[in-house]
Amino acid sequence: DTEVTQTPKHLVMGMTNKKSLKCEQHMGHRAMYWYKQKAKKPPELMFVYSYEKLSINESVPSRFSPECPNSSLLNLHLHALQPEDSALYLCASSQDRSAWGYTFGSGTRLTVV
Amino acid sequence: QKEVEQDPGPLSVPEGAIVSLNCTYSNSAFQYFMWYRQYSRKGPELLMYTYSSGNKEDGRFTAQVDKSSKYISLFIRDSQPSDSATYLCAIHNNAGNMLTFGGGTRLMVKP
Repeated sequence: DTEVTQTPKHLVMGMTNKKSLKCEQHMGHRAMYWYKQKAKKPPELMFVYSYEKLSINESVPSRFSPECPNSSLLNLHLHALQPEDSALYLCASSQDRSAWGYTFGSGTRLTVV
Repeated sequence: QKEVEQDPGPLSVPEGAIVSLNCTYSNSAFQYFMWYRQYSRKGPELLMYTYSSGNKEDGRFTAQVDKSSKYISLFIRDSQPSDSATYLCAIHNNAGNMLTFGGGTRLMVKP
């Protein structure tokens, strides 16, 4: 299995909702990442997990809360989002933090209304 | 100055043309150089990588790195409509264990 699987593929949520994005990989990778990508822009790093521990938080607002329950799973919990948070949220993984070859999922297209 | 600069395009070429995509970077500590291809509404897909100056070829694709000029290129020969996508250069800095993306170039290959 050489894939990163993200669910759901699409999500529409209101500003008062709570939702979660899920990411799963079974490649034995020990580093996992959340990126945010706005239209016609490159991916922007949000969070990095290394060996299930949060190692980088790129000054992301607290309405985004990551969680890494085990080495294969990564969640992003969403609460009280704003319309400007609408974007494609990408999960990626790599063998470890020093590895340069990232595998990306197809992303969750999030719309906040 | 951004760490990685890339012309956003769009670049429109006829089918069969040779395409040249380019990035410049500012940090000489960067060590690994990658090209990702991203189709609309999909995640980036690793296309090619290299870590030394020179050329690396894979089928119709050639990645070129010139560390002295801090310049990387991706050449696509015999371009196909299926090559229409956004191409992102990405550079990995071993010191910071970070992947830095260029802004992406949107390529359109017309039949």
